[in-house]
Amino acid sequence: KNQVEQSPQSLIILEGKNCTLQCNYTVSPFSNLRWYKQDTGRGPVSLTIMTFSENTKSNGRYTATLDADTKQSSLHITASQLSDSASYICVVSARGSARQLTFGSGTQLTVLP
Amino acid sequence: EAQVTQNPRYLITVTGKKLTVTCSQNMNHEYMSWYRQDPGLGLRQIYYSMNVEVTDKGDVPEGYKVSRKEKRNFPLILESPSPNQTSLYFCASSLTTGWDEQYFGPGTRLTVT
Repeated sequence: KNQVEQSPQSLIILEGKNCTLQCNYTVSPFSNLRWYKQDTGRGPVSLTIMTFSENTKSNGRYTATLDADTKQSSLHITASQLSDSASYICVVSARGSARQLTFGSGTQLTVLP
Repeated sequence: EAQVTQNPRYLITVTGKKLTVTCSQNMNHEYMSWYRQDPGLGLRQIYYSMNVEVTDKGDVPEGYKVSRKEKRNFPLILESPSPNQTSLYFCASSLTTGWDEQYFGPGTRLTVT
């Protein structure tokens, strides 16, 4: 069964600090991996997408990495801001079926002043 | 403005009373999908549609119906709501498949008593 596991479940950091969120998946055959940011009470918004051949991709202060061999991805946030407080969701797509999206349960990040 | 809209945003209803949650997108997207989000379980796909008159079950379709008579609209129908359908519902659309970046609506918080 395809699964996406995210860790930690929740994280509290101080403003200005860096943090790294983890995503491990067992989805096969792998197509792509997206990180979404979901603010409280709102719909998720895509941050990055990574395909099989990509190792690193940045979007401002967000940097995602992918190790397709170990089936792990990480999202690194640099110089955190209060507005980074949100849930970060890892979503993995499998090739061959439009249905084959597997969502992680998310990491709830809280940035304190 | 490109967007996905959902109505209503909040709904409290009683067991067995049929309801419809509307979803509309103005981006000419082919793919639309409904998700429910429950604490600790992440986003789970209810139904999706690849195009007009083409719909298919997601991971948790029981108790729900959908239709896709027009490209822009994808309503979610609960024929006989039950308390276990109390949840936060999101509609999403993407260009052609679920692998593409999905644009989410603002969510509908449903409470069934």
